Amino acid sequence: SQQGEEDPQALSIQEGENATMNCSYKTSINNLQWYRQNSGRGLVHLILIRSNEREKHSGRLRVTLDTSKKSSSLLITASRAADTASYFCATDAGLNQFYFGTGTSLTVIP
Amino acid sequence: GAGVSQSPSNKVTEKGKDVELRCDPISGHTALYWYRQSLGQGLEFLIYFQGNSAPDKSGLPSDRFSAERTGGSVSTLTIQRTQQEDSAVYLCASSISNKNIQYFGAGTRLSVL
Repeated sequence: SQQGEEDPQALSIQEGENATMNCSYKTSINNLQWYRQNSGRGLVHLILIRSNEREKHSGRLRVTLDTSKKSSSLLITASRAADTASYFCATDAGLNQFYFGTGTSLTVIP
Repeated sequence: GAGVSQSPSNKVTEKGKDVELRCDPISGHTALYWYRQSLGQGLEFLIYFQGNSAPDKSGLPSDRFSAERTGGSVSTLTIQRTQQEDSAVYLCASSISNKNIQYFGAGTRLSVL
C-alpha cells in the first residue's frame, strides 16, 4: 500500500507545548499535504509541501520533508486547546489518488 | 456556494436497502473525490471525477457501489443492497483541478442496521 502512516497514533500535551507528528510513505511523491479533522467534521487543508522543498512554515505550523527517508513531520508550536483534532498526511504519488494516512489524534489539555 | 455541501448529514438504513448520497462541490471545481472513513481510520479512496474525463473507479470496493457526476457539478454516490460493513462516514472533496488542495464536505454518516 502507498498509504502514509502517521506516528504517533495519539498524542496528549499541555497547552503551550509543541506537538510533533510524523508521516512516513512508501513511494516517490509529487507533493505531500497535511490536513486537520475536528471530530465529526470534514478535513481542512493545512499546508502543502512539494517534493523539491525541505521545509515550509505557515503561522504556528512547520512542515519538513525528507524524500530520502520518505518522511515528513508537522510541528505545531505553542499549542492551544483549539488545536485538538486529528491530523492526516496525504501523498500525491502521480496517480489520480491521494493516499491518506491513518492520522494522529492530538489532544491539547488546557 | 461557500463550500462543499453533502446531504444527508446522517442516514440510517436497513440492510439490503439502497442509499444515495449527494455532494455539491464548490462552483468551478473540476475535480471531485469520494472517500470512505471508518471509525478511527484514515480515508479510503473510492472514486475520482475530473471534468468530462472517464472517472477513476479503482477504489470502489464492490459492484454495489457506483457514482455519477451530472453536468460536471453535483455528484451522487449510490450503494445498492447495503451491508453492515458499509457503515462509515462518506466524505466528498473537490479541488480546482487535479493535484490541488482538496476542500472537504462535512460528510454523510451512514449507519446500516
